[in-house]
Amino acid sequence: QSALTQPASVSGSPGQSITISCTGTSSDVGSHNLVSWYQQHPGKAPKLMIYEAIKRPSGISDRFSGSKSGNTASLTISGLQAEDEGDYYCCSLAGRSTFGVFGTGTKVTFL
Amino acid sequence: QVQLVESGGGVVQPGESLRLSCAASGFTFSSYGMHWVRQAPGKGLEWVAVVWFDGNNKYYAESVKGRFTISRDNSKNMVFLHMNSLRAEDMAVYYCARERAIRRIYYFMDVWGKGTTVTVSS
Repeated sequence: QSALTQPASVSGSPGQSITISCTGTSSDVGSHNLVSWYQQHPGKAPKLMIYEAIKRPSGISDRFSGSKSGNTASLTISGLQAEDEGDYYCCSLAGRSTFGVFGTGTKVTFL
Repeated sequence: QVQLVESGGGVVQPGESLRLSCAASGFTFSSYGMHWVRQAPGKGLEWVAVVWFDGNNKYYAESVKGRFTISRDNSKNMVFLHMNSLRAEDMAVYYCARERAIRRIYYFMDVWGKGTTVTVSS
């Protein structure tokens, strides 16, 4: 059960767009669209931002968008704002539905 | 409102046991699978276990299989994590989280508790 691979950090200027990648294998990310993304601020619980690779839960800004190609899923944040700083994790169903696996996590910061 | 509240964390010695509880409210608990996710100090999220809405299926991370048991009581809107043979590497904040899909498990966790802290130290 290896963690999905994410870049350790991504930086951007206010108003810019950034993209976070999440790379798995043909046994997890590559075999379905059951990928989700979570935002976590320090000392807080994670928050669901994207599910089913591309869908946004109610109340999540349309500045957040998801995509997937092959074994890699991506989260794009457009119009970067101060409150977007934090840690982001992807998650995927794996092992023929018998377990879940998170990504290694990406810290988003302002330049 | 929809809410999850964890309890039961504490300080234990290696090899000891602990039971975490998660109280759910504001939704039809018996229709949703429930997950436990943990986060070691300064580290990332790690999925730990899931129990289906009816309690009939339970899956575990390899790191806890055989030592941890997830269970639920739909009459009390509670989910539990029984942890045996605790190790230093089990030290973490443990979160309870609701599966977003009704009567399915897709590992989309849409409601989270604030977490309870487990410290394993001799």
